[in-house]
Amino acid sequence: DVKVTQSSRYLVKRTGEKVFLECVQDMDHENMFWYRQDPGLGLRLIYFSYDVKMKEKGDIPEGYSVSREKKERFSLILESASTNQTSMYLCASRVLWRYAEAFFGQGTRLTVV
Amino acid sequence: SQQGEEDPQALSIQEGENATMNCSYKTSINNLQWYRQNSGRGLVHLILIRSNEREKHSGRLRVTLDTSKKSSSLLITASRAADTASYFCATEASNTGKLIFGQGTTLQVKP
Repeated sequence: DVKVTQSSRYLVKRTGEKVFLECVQDMDHENMFWYRQDPGLGLRLIYFSYDVKMKEKGDIPEGYSVSREKKERFSLILESASTNQTSMYLCASRVLWRYAEAFFGQGTRLTVV
Repeated sequence: SQQGEEDPQALSIQEGENATMNCSYKTSINNLQWYRQNSGRGLVHLILIRSNEREKHSGRLRVTLDTSKKSSSLLITASRAADTASYFCATEASNTGKLIFGQGTTLQVKP
């Protein structure tokens, strides 16, 4: 079974802190994604990576950056956390094939105080 | 953004009834997928329909796709209390690799 693991289930950080959210997948998938989920807004794509060191901005990249140094790991970085970044963050991965399904991690609920 | 819109936003039905939820999107797509999410956890893939397909079945799920109207529907037949969850459609625009999700439909099935 494909496994996508996010490093924390719950996280509380202070305003202005640098925050790292880690995601690891064990199936050699090329594509990895970071989404944030807010009530009434569904899932919004923050960043997307289709290969090591490659990344593309999604719909809401402001305030975020990403890192993909190894194929299995995709990190989301909040350079200076703000309260409006309090949200559920979901990582996903899939193979590089147009008809592939995505596999999701369990989510990280981040609260910025 | 090509983010799709789903309706209704919320649906409440009795066990045994059918549930239908709809998804509309904006751009040309390779495929459309439906996912389910329980209690704010990660999403689980349900079914994928390719852009050249019009209908697909999987167990109690039936998905239709109308590319001329840029819309899809998910039908869950003979619903059960365990079907209570949020359901999302996701589209992949041609040649981008990006999966873009809709806002979701929250389904409550009452026993």
